[in-house]
Amino acid sequence: GAGVSQSPRYKVAKRGQDVALRCDPISGHVSLFWYQQALGQGPEFLTYFQNEAQLDKSGLPSDRFFAERPEGSVSTLKIQRTQQEDSAVYLCASRETGSNQPQHFGDGTRLSIL
Amino acid sequence: RKEVEQDPGPFNVPEGATVAFNCTYSNSASQSFFWYRQDCRKEPKLLMSVYSSGNEDGRFTAQLNRASQYISLLIRDSKLSDSATYLCVVNKAAGNKLTFGGGTRVLVKP
Repeated sequence: GAGVSQSPRYKVAKRGQDVALRCDPISGHVSLFWYQQALGQGPEFLTYFQNEAQLDKSGLPSDRFFAERPEGSVSTLKIQRTQQEDSAVYLCASRETGSNQPQHFGDGTRLSIL
Repeated sequence: RKEVEQDPGPFNVPEGATVAFNCTYSNSASQSFFWYRQDCRKEPKLLMSVYSSGNEDGRFTAQLNRASQYISLLIRDSKLSDSATYLCVVNKAAGNKLTFGGGTRVLVKP
């Protein structure tokens, strides 16, 4: 079946611009996660949704980062007034119900801020 | 100290050899454990879950030691295609976010 789909695959923006990254989870997966992965590092948790509810946003690095999932399916991660340190791969993952279930990742969006 | 720590490697492994590496975690309340594999410029993919009694999946064996708070991964009869970064992943009790180690890079050479 279809996996987690993210778009765009690559995004280049100038410092100060706003960007929006999209995630389409596996159909029927209630839980959705966003992670940020810097070069040479493991992914770092950003935020978590259960259906449309954002239950944990403790990993968002600043108030410039905002995520939503209004209908409990597709999610968007928005970064306002981008800065060079925002350059990273942004990974989305989805999971079936149950915290012991594994998360399945999308290909990620590689964001470069110039 | 990071919550999940791994030797970054690289582990240079002759084809056909066995390689093993560990990961330590600091939160004793951690409940679920996984090994993910990540190829260069690709997304992490689940390799295997790690169970308390240890588990095997083909050439891969995972062990969990709760007392010492580490998990291990052993790869037997290494293939060239096993070259990747192996990410140790921990999920806290009743939690949802995964905490990743920095990854261990494995290079299998002919």
